[in-house]
Amino acid sequence: AQSVTQLDSQVPVFEEAPVELRCNYSSSVSVYLFWYVQYPNQGLQLLLKYLSGSTLVESINGFEAEFNKSQTSFHLRKPSVHISDTAEYFCAVNTGFQKLVFGTGTRLLVSP
Amino acid sequence: NAGVTQTPKFQVLKTGQSMTLQCAQDMNHNSMYWYRQDPGMGLRLIYYSASEGTTDKGEVPNGYNVSRLNKREFSLRLESAAPSQTSVYFCASSWTDNEQFFGPGTRLTVL
Repeated sequence: AQSVTQLDSQVPVFEEAPVELRCNYSSSVSVYLFWYVQYPNQGLQLLLKYLSGSTLVESINGFEAEFNKSQTSFHLRKPSVHISDTAEYFCAVNTGFQKLVFGTGTRLLVSP
Repeated sequence: NAGVTQTPKFQVLKTGQSMTLQCAQDMNHNSMYWYRQDPGMGLRLIYYSASEGTTDKGEVPNGYNVSRLNKREFSLRLESAAPSQTSVYFCASSWTDNEQFFGPGTRLTVL
C-alpha cells in the first residue's frame, strides 16, 4: 500500500529564513505528487504538483519541490518565508486509482 | 464558478442523532470524495465516487453512508452519530488522477 511520511509535525522558523518541509513516500509504481496548503479554518488548496517531466516544480508564491525517485522524496522548500506562509502543509501521492494518500501534515509557524 | 460547496459549515449533534452533509461541484468532475480531518492524522478518505452511479469505501467508512445523487452532488450521511465522529469533513472533486479540489469543510461536533 502507498503511504506518505511527513516526519516533522511542526516547523518553527523566523521570517525571511529558509525552510524545508520533508516528505517521503512509498510506492512501487509511478506516482503523481502534490503539496497542499491549508490556512486556518479553510479547506486545502493545491500549492504545486509533480506529474512528469522536470523534477523541480515551482509555485507562484516562491515555494519549490523536487521529485527524487531514488530517495522517494518530494521535499518542499522556500528560500525566504513570510508571516503569511504560516499554515499547515500536506504532502500527497496519487498512484493512478483516482485516490490521494495524504501525509499527517506539517505546521509551519513563521514568527517575526 | 463556485467550485466545491459544502453545507452546513458547522453542526452540533447529540449521540445517536442522524444528519446528512451535502456537497456539490460545478466543474463537471467525474470523481468526488469525502474525507475527515483529525489532529495529527492528516486527511483520511471515507468514501469516494469515481463516476456518477458508483461509490466505493475508503480507509474509514464505518458509520457512514454516501449517495452520488447526480454528477454534481455527493452526500455523506451519519445514521447514528458517535463522539468518535467529531471531526472536520471535507468534500473534494477531480477530473482525472490530477489534482483534487476541496470544499471549505464542515466542522461537526458530536456530544
